[in-house]
Amino acid sequence: KAGVTQTPRYLIKTRGQQVTLSCSPISGHRSVSWYQQTPGQGLQFLFEYFSETQRNKGNFPGRFSGRQFSNSRSEMNVSTLELGDSALYLCVSTPGAEGTEAFFGQGTRLTVV
Amino acid sequence: QKEVEQNSGPLSVPEGAIASLNCTYSDRGSQSFFWYRQYSGKSPELIMSIYSNGDKEDGRFTAQLNKASQYVSLLIRDSQPSDSATYLCAVIGGSYIPTFGRGTSLIVHP
Repeated sequence: KAGVTQTPRYLIKTRGQQVTLSCSPISGHRSVSWYQQTPGQGLQFLFEYFSETQRNKGNFPGRFSGRQFSNSRSEMNVSTLELGDSALYLCVSTPGAEGTEAFFGQGTRLTVV
Repeated sequence: QKEVEQNSGPLSVPEGAIASLNCTYSDRGSQSFFWYRQYSGKSPELIMSIYSNGDKEDGRFTAQLNKASQYVSLLIRDSQPSDSATYLCAVIGGSYIPTFGRGTSLIVHP
């Protein structure tokens, strides 16, 4: 059974640019959650998609957006990049119901210069 | 605001000792509890899950859950230097999304 796949693994972007990150969950999992991890803030919840709908949202500005496709793959987009957006972006795959385990992707390391 | 609290550490233990990591949570409706290990620069890796009160053992790891007191702990027996990492506690409640603590840094010294 394949794990959670995130692409790309590393990105370097310039301030003001935009970026799109991808996450393919475990087969059969319908929920994908996105987190930003920085040394000072820990894991910060961005949003969760379930069955192509945003079901939960964290406290991030509108520059951060996402979507989910019918095959459960999810993309996250960050527009007008700022230096503070440099972080490890992690997606988490779950079936989307109770009593279930959550698995991380390998993460995308984004550096904004 | 659902919160998961962990002591940031670092927790330093000698090789061969028992490391005890603790976590408290605020949402009484939480149903699922997890411990992840994260090495520096890497993605978190699931090491234990627990869903009911009591102890659950897996090799050198034991997870303990007490829903009445709203805490979950992880014991690592015979700690090894390779156990040195940050340990994240995660809780899933009615929203079905994990809420994470900020992690406890564990250092196992030879």
